[in-house]
Amino acid sequence: EVQLLESGGDLVQPGGSLRLSCTASGFTFSACAMTWVRQAPGKGLEWVSVISGSGSTTFYADSVQGRFTISRDNSENTVYLQMNSLRADDTAVYYCARPISETLQYSGVKYWGQGTLVTVSS
Amino acid sequence: IQLTQSPSFLSASVGDRVTITCRASQGISNYLAWYQQKPGRAPKLLMYVASALQSGVPSRFSGSGSGTEFTLTISSLQAEDFATYYCQQLNTYPLTFGGGTKVEIK
Repeated sequence: EVQLLESGGDLVQPGGSLRLSCTASGFTFSACAMTWVRQAPGKGLEWVSVISGSGSTTFYADSVQGRFTISRDNSENTVYLQMNSLRADDTAVYYCARPISETLQYSGVKYWGQGTLVTVSS
Repeated sequence: IQLTQSPSFLSASVGDRVTITCRASQGISNYLAWYQQKPGRAPKLLMYVASALQSGVPSRFSGSGSGTEFTLTISSLQAEDFATYYCQQLNTYPLTFGGGTKVEIK
């Protein structure tokens, strides 16, 4: 059974940094791309970032490009989202997710974590 | 690529046929997915590559379209289908979601 467990969500001041973690189990982690999707309170879904199985390829939403960095440790079955220069509009539940197949492009997101809340406020 | 869903809100009764439209600002072939989300829950994948039904999803859900116009149809709305639905394009990075369609009980 695929399981994704996020952690690291917290209250942080504007301009601050936070690192989210997502530990995966139930599948061959190194073979699969992993992605982050967020949802601001009462708002819709926003795709944030993706990293390939090897970690060599990453993509970001325009809204986080240059501020967020996705990475992974395949020996620990963990994907990370380093968030810097946080703003109030980064406040959201952040979901870690895995596509149907090994790559995200051209497929769909089948497996989701429970989400972790990031609140950016002074 | 921008995705525009319509309507943004839909009031319907159990047994109704419901259609949600998703329009892309440029062609995305058939690389579109549909998700259902209930309050406080993670999204659930319903359809991928526009018309492929995800395993375990009831057959009353169907999807169609290619290029820039797509639809999600629920042939006979059930009580458990009241939720918010999102489309997502997976053709081009950065990936994008539609704004959502909330389906409520009439």
